[in-house]
This record gives sequence, C-alpha cells and structure tokens, in this order.
Amino acid sequence: QVQLVQSGAEVKKPGASVKVSCKASGYTFSSYYMHWVRQAPGQGLEWMGIINPTAGSTSYAQKLQGRVTMTRDTSTSTVYMELSSLRSEDTAVYYCAREMDSSGYLGYWGQGTLVTVSS
Amino acid sequence: EIVLTQSPGTLSLSPGERATLSCRASQSVSSNYLAWYQQKPGQAPRLLIYGASSRATGIPDRFSGSGSGTDFTLTISRLEPEDFAVYYCQQYGSSPYTFGQGTKLEIK
Repeated sequence: QVQLVQSGAEVKKPGASVKVSCKASGYTFSSYYMHWVRQAPGQGLEWMGIINPTAGSTSYAQKLQGRVTMTRDTSTSTVYMELSSLRSEDTAVYYCAREMDSSGYLGYWGQGTLVTVSS
Repeated sequence: EIVLTQSPGTLSLSPGERATLSCRASQSVSSNYLAWYQQKPGQAPRLLIYGASSRATGIPDRFSGSGSGTDFTLTISRLEPEDFAVYYCQQYGSSPYTFGQGTKLEIK
C-alpha cells in the first residue's frame, strides 16, 4: 500500500532553515508528482509547490519563491522540502501529498511534520 | 492565481440533514479540475471528490460533487456523525494549485 512517512517535528529560530523529508513506499516513486502543502495553526491549507520525481523539476508558489527548495533522492524514494529564512509565520504543519494520477489531485498524504519557529 | 471562495464559513446542521457546501472560483477552472477534501482535527486531509464530480475510492455515495466553470458544490445527502469536519476545495487546473479557505461543518 502507498505510504508517505515524514520526518519528525522541528523547532527552529527565526532566520534559520528547516529541511523536511517524505519517504515514499508501495508504488513506483518516479511515476507520480509530489506536492507540499502547509497548514498554520487553526488555519486552512496552503499549496507550496510540486516536484517531478523523475526530472527533479519544480514549481513553487510565488509567495515562497526564493525561500523554498524541493528536491528528491530517487535512490531512497524520498522527497525533501527546505524552507529558509524562517519567520514566525512559517510555523505550521507541513504535508507531502502524492497525486493520484497525472492530473494534480492529492490522494495520498503524509502524516504531517510540525515546524515551530520561535526565538 | 485562481482564488477559491468557500461558503458558508461554518455550517451548523444535525445528523440526517442535507449539507450543501459552495466553492466559487475567481476564474474558470480548467477542465473542471476541482477536488474536495475532508479534514478532521489532528489528521491529514482526505480526498473525497475529484474532477468536480467523481468520488474517490471508498467514499460513501452520500457525498456528491457538482458544478463547472466557476461554481462548484459538495453535497452530503444525509449527514452521519463522522461527517462533521472541515471541508476544502482545491483547483488543480492551473498552477498554483490553490485551496479554498474551508467550510467547517459542525453539529447543531
């Protein structure tokens, strides 16, 4: 069965960077695009970007351009999301989510990783 | 960027009642690429509907989606206790793949 297992919670200081991992299993890693979505406490869902696991190409939300980097390691079927220059507004649960097919809707989700930015 | 506006913000209903949730887009959603998700506290979102009206695998038939262009609706025909949650729409027709702000369905 498809599983997306994310790394554990992080506490970071403002200005630092965080790198969250998402290890995929139960399917052919290169066949499906992966997205990152975040959710601030008590708030809605925010789409962050997408990575093509085959080519490594990415597309990011404009709001995060310049601060977010998504990468993948095909040898371990893992995708990564790194966010730099952290500020308090980046405190959120970060989810990786896999497309169901090539259309873009998200059928499989990781368990979420809480990133807390606090001095 | 396509902005999705969901209404109402909160919907208070009783089990057995019918729920109608709206999602309006600021411009036409390409190919009606509109999905609905359900989220319960402390859990990841769960896909309910894709392509505006197709139910995802394992989703009960009391959930249905409709609409096209800029106006979309999620209907829950007879509410079960486990349906009380927050619902989000998302368009995936054009990047960025934006979400609505959510509708909280609460027990009256």
